[in-house]
Amino acid sequence: DAKTTQPNSMESNEEEPVHLPCNHSTISGTDYIHWYRQLPSQGPEYVIHGLTSNVNNRMASLAIAEDRKSSTLILHRATLRDAAVYYCILKDTGNQFYFGTGTSLTVIP
Amino acid sequence: EAGVVQSPRYKIIEKKQPVAFWCNPISGHNTLYWYRQNLGQGPELLIRYENEEAVDDSQLPKDRFSAERLKGVDSTLKIQPAELGDSAVYLCASSRQGVGTGELFFGEGSRLTVL
Repeated sequence: DAKTTQPNSMESNEEEPVHLPCNHSTISGTDYIHWYRQLPSQGPEYVIHGLTSNVNNRMASLAIAEDRKSSTLILHRATLRDAAVYYCILKDTGNQFYFGTGTSLTVIP
Repeated sequence: EAGVVQSPRYKIIEKKQPVAFWCNPISGHNTLYWYRQNLGQGPELLIRYENEEAVDDSQLPKDRFSAERLKGVDSTLKIQPAELGDSAVYLCASSRQGVGTGELFFGEGSRLTVL
């Protein structure tokens, strides 16, 4: 199973942009990059995903490096409700989702 | 659309007792996953079903854990007998592969405490 590497924790001030990095140097050509987040006492929820091109949705943006060995989840204006653990996951063609330990994001008022 | 439903939300048992968790996925979702999440860790895949077939159970401790997904809808995860190290949150997720993004939808989880 492919692996991802993320910082254990990050902090951001409220209403400022947040860039959450992820390294996935062993990614294969068919792996999708998915991001999920987990609020306290809840199951993870989908944030965004991409293959090669940068992606935007109402929650966040995903910037994917040209060699696909790293990606960055961008929250444009962090709010207190964005405090969560963010997981970067590689999804293979076999529908497998392997979670790492994620990045715990603290948002400072 | 109703989300993934899990029960019970909380369960406290003594070691060596049996326990079962139930999951009702989102209607039409053919793929179902059971994950275990220890405190401070990411979810760990236990088993994945495609319809009623278990296609990946390599991480399921088969000496004490069992799972079933009858008729390809609801699923049950059982532990017998439970050990202290089984204390964790058991998460169920479902997805509809081949349609849309194929993302996972998780339930709120079942928190197990083994005394």
